[in-house]
Amino acid sequence: EAGVVQSPRYKIIEKKQPVAFWCNPISGHNTLYWYLQNLGQGPELLIRYENEEAVDDSQLPKDRFSAERLKGVDSTLKIQPAELGDSAVYLCASSFPRGHGETQYFGPGTRLLVL
Amino acid sequence: AQSVAQPEDQVNVAEGNPLTVKCTYSVSGNPYLFWYVQYPNRGLQFLLKYITGDNLVKGSYGFEAEFNKSQTSFHLKKPSALVSDSALYFCAVRPLIGDYKLSFGAGTTVTVRA
Repeated sequence: EAGVVQSPRYKIIEKKQPVAFWCNPISGHNTLYWYLQNLGQGPELLIRYENEEAVDDSQLPKDRFSAERLKGVDSTLKIQPAELGDSAVYLCASSFPRGHGETQYFGPGTRLLVL
Repeated sequence: AQSVAQPEDQVNVAEGNPLTVKCTYSVSGNPYLFWYVQYPNRGLQFLLKYITGDNLVKGSYGFEAEFNKSQTSFHLKKPSALVSDSALYFCAVRPLIGDYKLSFGAGTTVTVRA
Protein backbone atom coordinates (compact mmCIF):
# COMPACT_ATOMS: atom_id res chain seq x y z
CA GLU A 1 0.00 0.00 0.00
CA ALA A 2 1.38 3.38 -0.99
CA GLY A 3 1.92 5.90 1.77
CA VAL A 4 1.21 9.60 1.82
CA VAL A 5 2.88 11.25 -1.15
CA GLN A 6 4.13 14.83 -1.09
CA SER A 7 5.84 17.00 -3.66
CA PRO A 8 8.13 18.69 -4.06
CA ARG A 9 10.49 17.32 -1.42
CA TYR A 10 12.56 20.49 -1.36
CA LYS A 11 11.84 24.04 -2.44
CA ILE A 12 14.01 27.14 -2.37
CA ILE A 13 12.40 30.48 -3.16
CA GLU A 14 13.01 34.15 -2.59
CA LYS A 15 10.88 36.05 -0.13
CA LYS A 16 7.63 37.51 -1.47
CA GLN A 17 7.38 34.71 -4.06
CA PRO A 18 4.45 32.27 -4.04
CA VAL A 19 4.90 28.56 -3.37
CA ALA A 20 2.61 25.54 -3.41
CA PHE A 21 2.85 22.08 -1.90
CA TRP A 22 0.91 19.03 -3.03
CA CYS A 23 -0.27 16.01 -1.04
CA ASN A 24 -1.88 12.72 -2.06
CA PRO A 25 -3.20 10.83 0.99
CA ILE A 26 -3.42 7.10 1.55
CA SER A 27 -6.26 5.61 -0.44
CA GLY A 28 -9.48 5.53 1.58
CA HIS A 29 -8.34 8.10 4.12
CA ASN A 30 -11.02 10.75 4.23
CA THR A 31 -9.22 12.95 6.76
CA LEU A 32 -6.23 15.00 5.67
CA TYR A 33 -3.97 17.24 7.73
CA TRP A 34 -1.34 19.83 6.98
CA TYR A 35 1.30 20.44 9.66
CA LEU A 36 4.15 22.89 10.03
CA GLN A 37 7.36 21.63 11.63
CA ASN A 38 9.99 24.13 12.64
CA LEU A 39 13.52 23.00 13.33
CA GLY A 40 13.83 21.29 16.70
CA GLN A 41 10.10 21.28 17.33
CA GLY A 42 7.17 18.95 16.99
CA PRO A 43 4.63 19.36 14.19
CA GLU A 44 1.86 21.93 14.63
CA LEU A 45 -1.48 21.55 12.90
CA LEU A 46 -2.33 24.10 10.23
CA ILE A 47 -5.54 22.69 8.82
CA ARG A 48 -7.65 19.52 8.88
CA TYR A 49 -10.01 18.32 6.15
CA GLU A 50 -12.84 15.84 6.36
CA ASN A 51 -13.35 14.95 2.69
CA GLU A 52 -13.39 18.33 0.93
CA GLU A 53 -14.46 20.35 3.98
CA ALA A 54 -11.93 22.24 6.07
CA VAL A 55 -13.23 21.44 9.56
CA ASP A 56 -10.37 23.04 11.51
CA ASP A 57 -8.36 25.89 10.02
CA SER A 58 -8.01 27.93 13.20
CA GLN A 59 -4.19 27.69 13.11
CA LEU A 60 -3.84 28.63 9.44
CA PRO A 61 -2.47 32.18 8.90
CA LYS A 62 -5.13 33.15 6.40
CA ASP A 63 -3.51 36.40 5.32
CA ARG A 64 -0.90 34.47 3.36
CA PHE A 65 -1.74 30.77 3.58
CA SER A 66 -4.50 28.97 1.74
CA ALA A 67 -5.39 25.34 1.18
CA GLU A 68 -7.81 23.37 -0.90
CA ARG A 69 -9.00 19.81 -1.32
CA LEU A 70 -11.46 20.17 -4.17
CA LYS A 71 -12.40 16.54 -4.81
CA GLY A 72 -11.79 15.24 -1.33
CA VAL A 73 -8.57 13.42 -2.23
CA ASP A 74 -5.46 15.44 -3.17
CA SER A 75 -4.73 18.70 -1.40
CA THR A 76 -2.66 21.77 -2.10
CA LEU A 77 -1.23 24.19 0.45
CA LYS A 78 -0.18 27.60 -0.83
CA ILE A 79 1.79 30.49 0.61
CA GLN A 80 1.60 33.87 -1.05
CA PRO A 81 3.73 35.82 -0.47
CA ALA A 82 6.35 33.77 1.37
CA GLU A 83 8.31 35.32 4.24
CA LEU A 84 11.67 34.36 5.69
CA GLY A 85 9.95 32.91 8.76
CA ASP A 86 8.05 30.41 6.63
CA SER A 87 11.20 28.34 6.21
CA ALA A 88 10.24 24.99 7.72
CA VAL A 89 9.07 21.50 6.85
CA TYR A 90 5.47 21.17 5.73
CA LEU A 91 4.03 17.76 6.53
CA CYS A 92 0.88 16.19 5.20
CA ALA A 93 -0.86 13.37 7.05
CA SER A 94 -3.99 11.33 6.51
CA SER A 95 -6.22 9.02 8.51
CA PHE A 96 -9.54 7.25 8.51
CA PRO A 97 -12.43 9.24 9.96
CA ARG A 98 -13.22 9.40 13.64
CA GLY A 99 -14.45 6.11 15.02
CA HIS A 100 -12.68 4.07 12.35
CA GLY A 101 -9.11 4.18 13.64
CA GLU A 102 -7.65 7.64 13.57
CA THR A 103 -3.93 6.97 13.48
CA GLN A 104 -2.36 9.66 11.37
CA TYR A 105 0.16 8.57 8.76
CA PHE A 106 2.62 11.17 7.58
CA GLY A 107 4.24 11.90 4.26
CA PRO A 108 7.96 12.69 3.88
CA GLY A 109 7.34 16.44 4.01
CA THR A 110 8.37 19.40 1.88
CA ARG A 111 11.36 21.31 3.17
CA LEU A 112 10.96 24.99 2.31
CA LEU A 113 13.77 27.51 2.40
CA VAL A 114 12.89 31.15 1.89
CA LEU A 115 15.84 33.41 1.04
CA ALA B 1 -5.77 22.64 26.24
CA GLN B 2 -3.65 19.55 25.94
CA SER B 3 0.14 19.43 26.00
CA VAL B 4 3.07 17.04 25.95
CA ALA B 5 6.42 17.30 27.71
CA GLN B 6 9.46 15.33 26.66
CA PRO B 7 11.91 16.30 29.39
CA GLU B 8 15.05 15.04 27.68
CA ASP B 9 16.28 16.68 24.51
CA GLN B 10 18.76 13.85 23.99
CA VAL B 11 19.15 10.28 25.11
CA ASN B 12 22.40 8.38 24.55
CA VAL B 13 22.71 4.64 25.07
CA ALA B 14 25.03 1.87 24.04
CA GLU B 15 23.84 -0.76 21.60
CA GLY B 16 22.28 -3.67 23.43
CA ASN B 17 21.30 -1.60 26.45
CA PRO B 18 17.73 -0.71 27.37
CA LEU B 19 16.32 2.47 25.89
CA THR B 20 13.73 4.70 27.55
CA VAL B 21 12.30 7.92 26.15
CA LYS B 22 10.15 9.85 28.60
CA CYS B 23 6.82 11.55 27.95
CA THR B 24 4.30 13.21 30.23
CA TYR B 25 1.04 14.70 29.10
CA SER B 26 -1.80 16.95 30.09
CA VAL B 27 -5.29 16.50 28.64
CA SER B 28 -8.92 16.87 29.62
CA GLY B 29 -10.47 13.49 30.19
CA ASN B 30 -8.99 10.24 29.00
CA PRO B 31 -6.03 10.47 26.64
CA TYR B 32 -5.34 9.03 23.23
CA LEU B 33 -1.50 8.71 23.14
CA PHE B 34 0.93 8.11 20.29
CA TRP B 35 4.63 7.67 19.63
CA TYR B 36 6.19 8.54 16.30
CA VAL B 37 9.79 8.31 15.06
CA GLN B 38 11.41 10.60 12.52
CA TYR B 39 14.58 9.76 10.60
CA PRO B 40 16.59 12.54 8.89
CA ASN B 41 14.78 14.09 5.94
CA ARG B 42 11.84 11.77 6.44
CA GLY B 43 8.30 12.17 7.69
CA LEU B 44 7.03 10.83 10.98
CA GLN B 45 6.55 7.07 11.20
CA PHE B 46 3.90 5.67 13.53
CA LEU B 47 5.28 3.37 16.25
CA LEU B 48 2.40 2.67 18.61
CA LYS B 49 -0.65 4.09 20.32
CA TYR B 50 -2.67 3.75 23.51
CA ILE B 51 -6.44 4.09 23.58
CA THR B 52 -7.76 1.92 26.41
CA GLY B 53 -7.05 -1.46 27.97
CA ASP B 54 -3.69 -2.92 28.86
CA ASN B 55 -1.28 -0.27 30.10
CA LEU B 56 1.62 -1.87 28.23
CA VAL B 57 1.36 -1.30 24.50
CA LYS B 58 3.55 -3.09 21.98
CA GLY B 59 4.45 -1.50 18.69
CA SER B 60 6.73 -1.67 15.69
CA TYR B 61 10.46 -2.55 15.68
CA GLY B 62 10.40 -4.03 19.21
CA PHE B 63 9.23 -0.83 20.90
CA GLU B 64 6.69 -0.73 23.69
CA ALA B 65 5.23 1.99 25.86
CA GLU B 66 3.74 1.99 29.33
CA PHE B 67 0.74 4.14 30.15
CA ASN B 68 0.59 5.38 33.74
CA LYS B 69 -2.56 7.34 34.45
CA SER B 70 -1.60 8.48 37.97
CA GLN B 71 1.69 9.90 36.72
CA THR B 72 0.22 11.05 33.39
CA SER B 73 3.12 9.42 31.62
CA PHE B 74 3.60 7.35 28.48
CA HIS B 75 7.26 6.36 28.36
CA LEU B 76 8.64 4.60 25.29
CA LYS B 77 10.90 1.62 25.90
CA LYS B 78 12.99 -0.90 24.05
CA PRO B 79 14.77 -3.70 25.92
CA SER B 80 17.82 -3.79 23.65
CA ALA B 81 18.63 -0.77 21.51
CA LEU B 82 20.10 -0.95 18.02
CA VAL B 83 22.28 1.60 16.23
CA SER B 84 19.48 1.87 13.68
CA ASP B 85 17.15 3.17 16.43
CA SER B 86 19.06 6.47 16.37
CA ALA B 87 16.43 9.02 15.38
CA LEU B 88 14.08 11.73 16.65
CA TYR B 89 11.14 10.50 18.72
CA PHE B 90 7.86 12.37 19.25
CA CYS B 91 5.13 11.75 21.79
CA ALA B 92 1.65 13.08 20.98
CA VAL B 93 -1.71 13.30 22.75
CA ARG B 94 -5.30 14.26 22.17
CA PRO B 95 -8.44 13.74 24.21
CA LEU B 96 -10.22 10.45 23.58
CA ILE B 97 -13.45 12.44 23.27
CA GLY B 98 -13.68 15.98 22.02
CA ASP B 99 -10.89 17.99 20.43
CA TYR B 100 -9.50 16.20 17.41
CA LYS B 101 -6.24 18.14 17.45
CA LEU B 102 -3.09 16.09 18.08
CA SER B 103 -0.49 17.91 20.22
CA PHE B 104 3.14 16.88 19.89
CA GLY B 105 6.07 17.17 22.23
CA ALA B 106 9.27 18.89 21.12
CA GLY B 107 10.96 15.58 20.44
CA THR B 108 13.84 13.56 21.90
CA THR B 109 16.92 12.74 19.87
CA VAL B 110 18.10 9.21 20.54
CA THR B 111 21.67 8.22 19.74
CA VAL B 112 22.67 4.59 20.04
CA ARG B 113 26.43 4.06 19.91
CA ALA B 114 27.98 0.86 18.67
